Amino acid sequence: EADIYQTPRYLVIGTGKKITLECSQTMGHDKMYWYQQDPGMELHLIHYSYGVNSTEKGDLSSESTVSRIRTEHFPLTLESARPSHTSQYLCASSGMRTGNNYGYTFGSGTRLTVV
Amino acid sequence: SQKIEQNSEALNIQEGKTATLTCNYTNYSPAYLQWYRQDPGRGPVFLLLIRENEKEKRKERLKVTFDTTLKQSLFHITASQPADSATYLCALEDDYKLSFGAGTTVTVRA
Repeated sequence: EADIYQTPRYLVIGTGKKITLECSQTMGHDKMYWYQQDPGMELHLIHYSYGVNSTEKGDLSSESTVSRIRTEHFPLTLESARPSHTSQYLCASSGMRTGNNYGYTFGSGTRLTVV
Repeated sequence: SQKIEQNSEALNIQEGKTATLTCNYTNYSPAYLQWYRQDPGRGPVFLLLIRENEKEKRKERLKVTFDTTLKQSLFHITASQPADSATYLCALEDDYKLSFGAGTTVTVRA
């Protein structure tokens, strides 16, 4: 069951457009993440947040920006989309470690195509 | 630089057999190592976490080992089923951030 929701699921958009990918979680997790994944390749961390008003850039340089105004919401924005931004974007969250079941919860992803 | 390497070759096995996947890493000292399953077009799903002071962890038909001296984790799926067909990702945690390997694709034949 998905407790983390990403919209849209698929997006085809023209070059130069501004887009926002939405991510919301209902688990009250303090930590949230954005990963980028190309087909057959590993996930790369592009942004993360450890709580409200906290955002950091990840290991992979990205032209996108994020905000964290509410615990449950972590949107990603591209001011001017380019074909090089075509990829799958995955949002994830994690909370307190409990027992042996600590792990990230991922959304289903947004597949972005810039034409 | 830090690197996580998983079996680059896809794994094709007969139903009922055991699949063994390898994850090797360099230039990390992870406190935690995690394994995820990813189906095509979907986000990864958390399977197991093992701590640096644990040698082995089991969950149903899954078993993970963690050797910090060899810098290696092995992931076993016993009594495999066609529903186990997916890509399996190894991930290392550093300061609450996960870095992932490219994954190994497993196909279980009926």
